[in-house]
Amino acid sequence: DVKVTQSSRYLVKRTGEKVFLECVQDMDHENMFWYRQDPGLGLRLIYFSYDVKMKEKGDIPEGYSVSREKKERFSLILESASTNQTSMYLCASSLSLPGYGYTFGSGTRLTVV
Amino acid sequence: TQLLEQSPQFLSIQEGENLTVYCNSSSVFSSLQWYRQEPGEGPVLLVTVVTGGEVKKLKRLTFQFGDARKDSSLHITAAQPGDTGLYLCVGTSGTYKYIFGTGTRLKVLA
Repeated sequence: DVKVTQSSRYLVKRTGEKVFLECVQDMDHENMFWYRQDPGLGLRLIYFSYDVKMKEKGDIPEGYSVSREKKERFSLILESASTNQTSMYLCASSLSLPGYGYTFGSGTRLTVV
Repeated sequence: TQLLEQSPQFLSIQEGENLTVYCNSSSVFSSLQWYRQEPGEGPVLLVTVVTGGEVKKLKRLTFQFGDARKDSSLHITAAQPGDTGLYLCVGTSGTYKYIFGTGTRLKVLA
């Protein structure tokens, strides 16, 4: 069964910590995405990558960085976690075909205290 | 800025009832997708529609893309508790540009 796997379902981190969220896909998809989902705000794109070592800023990149050293893995980094980064983080992947659907991971619920 | 407005925002109905969810925009999309998200999980793709006026059926779910490719609807016949979830429409224009709708939270009571 093809899938996108996020390393943690739940995380609790302290303010100021550096946080790594890992995402792995086994579908050989070129594109990978990181979103955060908040009540009332919907899904907002943080970063995406269309190839290894390539990255593009989404709508809300501030406070985040990403890394894509291998095609199957896309990491989201919170350089110095803050309480306003408490959220559900969703990783997704897709083929480089216009309109091709996303496959999402199950999400990581991050709480920053 | 492209926006996708969904209505209603919330819907609570009894098992066996029919319902329709709407997704509207002033922008034209090259395709439109519908996802369902269950609590604590990521969204799952239900369908993609690409042609104006296109209708697709998935068991009790019927999806329609507007003729002008600016809007879409999702109709569920004889809703079941398993249909409960957050329904998201997503408009696409190009390979990377995906616009998420505001979401419709559906609860089907047994």
